[in-house]
Amino acid sequence: DSGVTQTPKHLITATGQRVTLRCSPRSGDLSVYWYQQSLDQGLQFLIQYYNGEERAKGNILERFSAQQFPDLHSELNLSSLELGDSALYFCASSAPSGAATQYFGPGTRLTVL
Amino acid sequence: GEDVEQSLFLSVREGDSSVINCTYTDSSSTYLYWYKQEPGAGLQLLTYIFSNMDMKQDQRLTVLLNKKDKHLSLRIADTQTGDSAIYFCAETGGSQGNLIFGKGTKLSVKP
Repeated sequence: DSGVTQTPKHLITATGQRVTLRCSPRSGDLSVYWYQQSLDQGLQFLIQYYNGEERAKGNILERFSAQQFPDLHSELNLSSLELGDSALYFCASSAPSGAATQYFGPGTRLTVL
Repeated sequence: GEDVEQSLFLSVREGDSSVINCTYTDSSSTYLYWYKQEPGAGLQLLTYIFSNMDMKQDQRLTVLLNKKDKHLSLRIADTQTGDSAIYFCAETGGSQGNLIFGKGTKLSVKP
C-alpha cells in the first residue's frame, strides 16, 4: 500500500458525459501528479500540482482539467468524454524535498461506452 | 525529445536471473526509476538510482547505470513466479519533475 488513495476504482459512463476522479496524496506530500495509461499511448503525464498550484502540464487535453484543494487532495475532471478516453488514470504524490520519488495510487479505470 | 525505450517481453525460468534493459535520452535526469505493475494493480516503486551512481543493490534487485551510453538495467536474482509482472523504467522529465516512462517489459517466469 503506497498511501495514495484514489476513488472510484472503476467508472463506466457514456460518450459526452463528464466525470470527476479523486486522489488523496500520502500524508506530508505536497505534489500530486496525474497520469493516463492506455494500451496505445502507454503511461503519459497529464498534469502536476504543488501545494494547490499548477506546476507542470503534459499531454493534457483541453477537455480535461484538475485542481488541488487546501487539504491537498486533487480532482481530475474529464468532460465531453470520447471512446478514446477509456484508460487507467493514476495519481501519484511526492514529498517536497529529496529524491521526490513518486508513489502511485491504485488507479481509476474509466470505461467510456 | 525525451524518450525511454525497453524491450517488450522477457521470459525466464524460476530460479534464474532476469535482466531488464532500458535506454533513455535525457542526460539531465537526476534520478532513474524502476516500477512494477501486476495485473489490475497500480505502479509499485521497486527502486531508484541517483544519476551519479553506477550501481545500487537492494536485496534481490541490482540496478546498473551506464550514463555514457544512457543505459539502465534491472537484474532480479533468483526470479520467482511472483515476480511475473510488467516492469517500467522511468526518467524524470527535465525541469518539470514528472516521470517519462518506457512502454514496459512484461516478465514471464516459468516454473
